[in-house]
Amino acid sequence: AQSVAQPEDQVNVAEGNPLTVKCTYSVSGNPYLFWYVQYPNRGLQFLLKYITGDNLVKGSYGFEAEFNKSQTSFHLKKPSALVSDSALYFCAVRSYGNNRLAFGKGNQVVVIP
Amino acid sequence: KAGVTQTPRYLIKTRGQQVTLSCSPISGHRSVSWYQQTPGQGLQFLFEYFSETQRNKGNFPGRFSGRQFSNSRSEMNVSTLELGDSALYLCASSEGKAGELFFGEGSRLTVL
Repeated sequence: AQSVAQPEDQVNVAEGNPLTVKCTYSVSGNPYLFWYVQYPNRGLQFLLKYITGDNLVKGSYGFEAEFNKSQTSFHLKKPSALVSDSALYFCAVRSYGNNRLAFGKGNQVVVIP
Repeated sequence: KAGVTQTPRYLIKTRGQQVTLSCSPISGHRSVSWYQQTPGQGLQFLFEYFSETQRNKGNFPGRFSGRQFSNSRSEMNVSTLELGDSALYLCASSEGKAGELFFGEGSRLTVL
């Protein structure tokens, strides 16, 4: 079975400060990892993915994530948060050949002006 | 390219009724997946279709069903609606087995 843990319900950060959203995963075989963002009453928007290769993945809107196999983590980061980054962030995992994503519960990010 | 299109965006039904939701994937995408999102359970996988065949199914009762047409468009149906079926239903499409899923805006179902 595949699963994702996002330990924090809400992450508060001041505008301009670094933002980190934590994610750990469990999956059989090599993981395919994703981050999505959701704004109120909207669908999920793709931010970035890790399939293979470099452990540091760069994505949309200045976000990046670091894959750590030994810690089974895939934390999302942004060097300087914007108020417009306030949203719900989901980490997801699946295994090769399987389009069934397992999502974490989501983290509400609040960027304070 | 147009994104994933879901219709209707909002709908209200009463208990015992049935509902059909529609999803048009991104052109060229052959895989369509459906997810249910609720405040209590989060995002849960319903099923996935690829080339008109159900390839994967989540842990939902048989009241939840789906299908995919030859043009890759998909529908999901929920029969005998219950209050707990109130949720945002999200459709996602993908090119294949290794790509990311692209989501539609969702269909928000309210069951009264």
